[in-house]
Amino acid sequence: EVQLVESGGGLVQPGGSLRLSCAASGFIFSRYEMNWVRQAPGKGLEWISYISSSGSTTYYADSVKGRFTISRDDAKNSLYLQMNSLRAEDTAFYYCARVTVTDLEFDYWGQGTLVTVSS
Amino acid sequence: QSVLTQPPSVSGAPGQRVTISCTGSSSNIGAGYGVHWYQHLPGTAPKLLIYGNTKRPSGVPDRFSGSKSGTSASLAITGLQAEDEADYYCQSYDNRLSGWVFGGGTKLTVL
Repeated sequence: EVQLVESGGGLVQPGGSLRLSCAASGFIFSRYEMNWVRQAPGKGLEWISYISSSGSTTYYADSVKGRFTISRDDAKNSLYLQMNSLRAEDTAFYYCARVTVTDLEFDYWGQGTLVTVSS
Repeated sequence: QSVLTQPPSVSGAPGQRVTISCTGSSSNIGAGYGVHWYQHLPGTAPKLLIYGNTKRPSGVPDRFSGSKSGTSASLAITGLQAEDEADYYCQSYDNRLSGWVFGGGTKLTVL
C-alpha cells in the first residue's frame, strides 16, 4: 500500500525556518517524481514545488521561489522541503504528493502537516 | 485568483446529478494537458477522482465522470450521496508557469 507521511510542521516566527519531511513507503520511491502542495486556511490547493526522480530538476511556484528548497534522499525514501524566511502567508497545511509521468496527475497524497507562522 | 476557474459552490439533492466546471486557458487545458479532479475534506489527504480528463482510478465509482472541450473541463456526479459532500478541485499543468495549477475549489453540498 502506498503511504506518504508528512512531519515537521509547527509554530514558527516570521522570518524563521522549518524543514518538512515526507516519508514514503509501499512503492519504489527513487522511480517517482514528487511535489509539495499547500492549503492556507480558508483557501484552495496551491502547488508549490516539484522534484524529478533523479533530484536534478526542481521547479517552484513564484510565491516560494528563492525561499523554499525541495530535496530528496532515496536511501531514506524521503522528500524534504526546507522553508526559510517564512511569512504569515505561508501558514498552511503542507502535503506531499506523488506525480505520474504519463498524465501528470498527483495519484497519492499524504495527510498533511500544519505550519503556522506567527509571532 | 486561481489560474483555473471553478464555481465556489454547487448543491443537489440525494440521487440527483450535478456538474462542476473548470475553465482554463491556452497555456494549460487548451495546450492539451490533462485535467484531473480531486475530492478533498479539509485536514485529510486529497483523493484523485478523475485523471487525464476522463479516466477513473481503480476504486472510484462510475458515478463520477469527467469531460474536456477546448479550454474547459467538467466533473459530473450522478446519483448524489451524502458522502459526496466535500470540496472538489480541478488541476492541470501550465507551460507558461512551468508548474501545476489548481482551480479555486468547489464546495458540494448534498441537500
